[in-house]
Amino acid sequence: DTEVTQTPKHLVMGMTNKKSLKCEQHMGHRAMYWYKQKAKKPPELMFVYSYEKLSINESVPSRFSPECPNSSLLNLHLHALQPEDSALYLCASSQDHGRNYEQYFGPGTRLTVT
Amino acid sequence: GDSVTQMEGPVTLSEEAFLTINCTYTATGYPSLFWYVQYPGEGLQLLLKATKADDKGSNKGFEATYRKETTSFHLEKGSVQVSDSAVYFCALSHSGNTPLVFGKGTRLSVIA
Repeated sequence: DTEVTQTPKHLVMGMTNKKSLKCEQHMGHRAMYWYKQKAKKPPELMFVYSYEKLSINESVPSRFSPECPNSSLLNLHLHALQPEDSALYLCASSQDHGRNYEQYFGPGTRLTVT
Repeated sequence: GDSVTQMEGPVTLSEEAFLTINCTYTATGYPSLFWYVQYPGEGLQLLLKATKADDKGSNKGFEATYRKETTSFHLEKGSVQVSDSAVYFCALSHSGNTPLVFGKGTRLSVIA
């Protein structure tokens, strides 16, 4: 099983709303990632969790708040977003964090901020 | 810093044509190299990878060889199908905490 699941598939939220994106993997991977992808662009790394600890935060605004409750789950809490935050949010996981470990991506959550 | 350069798209081919998508990289040391594919409305799927010089990655008829002397990892397929229409991303990963570094992506359209 090489599946990463993400919910919801689509999300529309207003700028004053609070919502959460969820990601789950059952491959025993110890590294998990959040990416943001705008149309016709490559994914941009937001956060990396390694062994359930935040190891990389790519200067992401505080209105995005990641959480890793356990080794299988990764959440992204959203609050007071801006319209320019509308994008495809991708979760990924890898066995470990390093050059030889390929990342497996979920299908993404398509977020629209109105 | 590390970077990946891909040929500009879009690339439009007829079914059964030969495909080459060029990818070159800039990195110190010995990165691992990857090709990912993104079908419309979906996430990224790992297509193939190579972790050292002269390694050839292959999957679903696609191939790419890690060429350290030319710092390249070109993607090839002998006979494309309409179902290969997608965006292809070349990427590298380095040691330590370096995340995946992606190229800008190449959109491929295959017409029947």
